[in-house]
Amino acid sequence: AQSVSQHNHHVILSEAASLELGCNYSYGGTVNLFWYVQYPGQHLQLLLKYFSGDPLVKGIKGFEAEFIKSKFSFNLRKPSVQWSDTAEYFCALGPGGGADGLTFGKGTHLIIQP
Amino acid sequence: GAVVSQHPSRVICKSGTSVKIECRSLDFQATTMFWYRQFPKQSLMLMATSNEGSKATYEQGVEKDKFLINHASLTLSTLTVTSAHPEDSSFYICSARVPGQGIYNEQFFGPGTRLTVL
Repeated sequence: AQSVSQHNHHVILSEAASLELGCNYSYGGTVNLFWYVQYPGQHLQLLLKYFSGDPLVKGIKGFEAEFIKSKFSFNLRKPSVQWSDTAEYFCALGPGGGADGLTFGKGTHLIIQP
Repeated sequence: GAVVSQHPSRVICKSGTSVKIECRSLDFQATTMFWYRQFPKQSLMLMATSNEGSKATYEQGVEKDKFLINHASLTLSTLTVTSAHPEDSSFYICSARVPGQGIYNEQFFGPGTRLTVL
């Protein structure tokens, strides 16, 4: 069975600070990895995804993530956060091979202080 | 493209009643849809996989008779919470997989349905 672990449940940063949210997964096969963001009162939005190829993935709103297979990690980064980045961030894993539901991490609540 | 809608967005019902939630893929046909549940301030948990024209596949611990799933067309899956109780109160989110992705597994999520059982 697969699992996703997000280490930071609550993160508080000041504007312009750099961000890194950890995500580790457990799965023995090919993986599809995702980061989703959920703004207060809104639905999930895809930030970025990794299927194959270049392990450094760039997403929307200046976010990027790096897939490190040897560490089973897919950490999310942003060099300079903004107040509007305040949200819940979820890392998710989907087994490669297509038609399976995603396994989500517990989420990281990010608060950006002006 | 790849828009998924859910209806209703919010529902309040009395204990013991049944509630139906619809999930629609608006601009694509989805042979596979998924239902997730999210408790307040927690993560999403996969409940079941809904396959068009066949029975849904439920995750371990999810009661099939309580959460009835019907995927009768390529654009519609419904989740019926039968004999709802207050502990069923939650945020229910569906997603749909765009077909033809091969081994890739990108899913598009609906906006969710907030169920409150009194």
